Amino acid sequence: EPEVTQTPSHQVTQMGQEVILRCVPISNHLYFYWYRQILGQKVEFLVSFYNNEISEKSEIFDDQFSVERPDGSNFTLKIRSTKLEDSAMYFCASIAPGTESHYGYTFGSGTRLTVV
Amino acid sequence: KQEVTQIPAALSVPEGENLVLNCSFTDSAIYNLQWFRQDPGKGLTSLLLIQSSQREQTSGRLNASLDKSSGRSTLYIAASQPGDSATYLCAVRIGNQFYFGTGTSLTVIP
Repeated sequence: EPEVTQTPSHQVTQMGQEVILRCVPISNHLYFYWYRQILGQKVEFLVSFYNNEISEKSEIFDDQFSVERPDGSNFTLKIRSTKLEDSAMYFCASIAPGTESHYGYTFGSGTRLTVV
Repeated sequence: KQEVTQIPAALSVPEGENLVLNCSFTDSAIYNLQWFRQDPGKGLTSLLLIQSSQREQTSGRLNASLDKSSGRSTLYIAASQPGDSATYLCAVRIGNQFYFGTGTSLTVIP
């Protein structure tokens, strides 16, 4: 069964450093998402991306966050200057075109980001 | 804003028992509802997806129901096994977003 792949599985970074989290969505999917889960808390929506632009973003997704699809296969989340409170599990998800309202997401296995 | 609540927060049962996990949501204008399993420190595994027009979905020992008008869904697990131990999350889809509950942590005791 097709999978959404995320790398790395765990990243440790110093506060103030930039990090890039990578995702390879399922090949025929065109809608992409990032969610995050702070330890012990709910999974929260960050951003959705379609047709090479952000279609929706949450209050969490402020100016320190950015997303892009640099090469048509990878989908990345960049955090420019990490803070301690950015420590969380970050999940990528994708969904096939034309099925947006009828199918659930396929999630990746997540990247655990630890900011020290 | 959509609020999703799951009860109980934690549940411990002996192996072989049937059990029910509950999910409630405040806004009934949903596209669909999805149940996920999450093992400690791991990703989200989709278990069942129910469209807003459906009442239930079954997969193996799992059965999920949806009552959209009352804002409720249940996940029924039959003949529980130790391997079912995990956190179970429900998520409702409104527009372009999923709204997740905080989950029910299930422990099945051998």
